[in-house]
Amino acid sequence: GENVEQHPSTLSVQEGDSAVIKCTYSDSASNYFPWYKQELGKGPQLIIDIRSNVGEKKDQRIAVTLNKTAKHFSLHITETQPEDSAVYFCAAPNKAAGNKLTFGGGTRVLVKP
Amino acid sequence: AAGVIQSPRHLIKEKRETATLKCYPIPRHDTVYWYQQGPGQDPQFLISFYEKMQSDKGSIPDRFSAQQFSDYHSELNMSSLELGDSALYFCASSLGPVGTSGRGEDTQYFGPGTRLTVL
Repeated sequence: GENVEQHPSTLSVQEGDSAVIKCTYSDSASNYFPWYKQELGKGPQLIIDIRSNVGEKKDQRIAVTLNKTAKHFSLHITETQPEDSAVYFCAAPNKAAGNKLTFGGGTRVLVKP
Repeated sequence: AAGVIQSPRHLIKEKRETATLKCYPIPRHDTVYWYQQGPGQDPQFLISFYEKMQSDKGSIPDRFSAQQFSDYHSELNMSSLELGDSALYFCASSLGPVGTSGRGEDTQYFGPGTRLTVL
């Protein structure tokens, strides 16, 4: 099955700086990689995703890059704001098992004003 | 836009009691996933349904069962509750069970969750 690892587990940045979270996956057949943001007491919210036919995708201050050869993908948040503070999860679906998501361990991001 | 609806949002039960969690997927979504999230942990897959049939099963205890109904809503039934069952339970829905060629049909959208506390 799929194994997803995520680093770092915690990340503290100054407001306005950039934040980068990295994930690796094990299943070379995986071709879809979503990122979720989870605020305290709430459900994971999809913020961006990338498919294996592209290497980079950007949406305003958020970007995701994918390196299929190395089997890793990264989330980049630029010009961080206090409301970016949350736990971020990367994930990969297990296509051989009904598309269930395997999540990374999560990164707790704290943006200090 | 309509989102995934879960009820109840909070549930408190005693040990050995039963609980039923409900999930209403986004309209037109035919696939439902259930995940369990313990404190400080990532969500763990429990079970999924596509077109009212179970499509995959994860680390779900035998004390738990689930089904998807004709209107695509799903219910997770939990019996003989244990203290360790205390967690957040999320339902996610998608349009279609398996990723295709980039049309986004495999994208999973999560509900707000049900917080289950077993005393």
